[in-house]
Amino acid sequence: QSVLTQPPSVSGAPGQRVTISCTGSSSNIGAGSDVNWYQQLPGTAPKLLIYGNNNRPSGVPDRFSGSKSGTSASLAITGLQAEDEADYYCLSYDSSLSGYVFGTGTKVTVL
Amino acid sequence: EVQLLESGGGLVQPGGSLRLSCAASGFTFSSYAMNWVRQAPGKGLEWVSAISGSGGNTYFADSVKGRFTISRDNSKITLYLQMNSLRAEDTAVYYCAKDRYSYGPLGGMDVWGQGTTVTVSS
Repeated sequence: QSVLTQPPSVSGAPGQRVTISCTGSSSNIGAGSDVNWYQQLPGTAPKLLIYGNNNRPSGVPDRFSGSKSGTSASLAITGLQAEDEADYYCLSYDSSLSGYVFGTGTKVTVL
Repeated sequence: EVQLLESGGGLVQPGGSLRLSCAASGFTFSSYAMNWVRQAPGKGLEWVSAISGSGGNTYFADSVKGRFTISRDNSKITLYLQMNSLRAEDTAVYYCAKDRYSYGPLGGMDVWGQGTTVTVSS
């Protein structure tokens, strides 16, 4: 069950900045659990984009950035490119479920 | 290069069983927790289960608790998911994913396999 809420879709023109929100609760993000973000291109496995709230793995462009505040987190994509068109998911640990929870997912469309 | 390769998916009848395997390479397998994540057709990601690096601690989503078992053989560098009492709603692509930490689900997954498809249907 998803207990992290994301907007179903966001869109932007090439070069623009878009943000994706991830709203949780006091048992996950609000409890201090780290947030990761994943990018899933059509027909492929998810790929780690951001870990530990705001850290980029090697090879991920600095156009992608993460932040966290209170019970929410956000992913920002600046300088939007056609190759960024994908589904994006947040992830955190939930202490009441004793396991991970994913966000509901957001489809990013490049206009 | 870190790699994960799932196998064992297929078509199974409701109430049946299936065992998935995930062969790992390119990292010290026993030093990391491992996860199974699934994605039903056209749906989002759902975490299924995790196991600590030693294999001594296991964790399950409520949707599979009591029906699925996770295990690992560190000598064979392989992760398993035994799925019993399968239901139509278990139909999904199942991904094996390496955790960032050793002891259990805490830091998220950093490497994913390509997935194996499980279809539960009569």
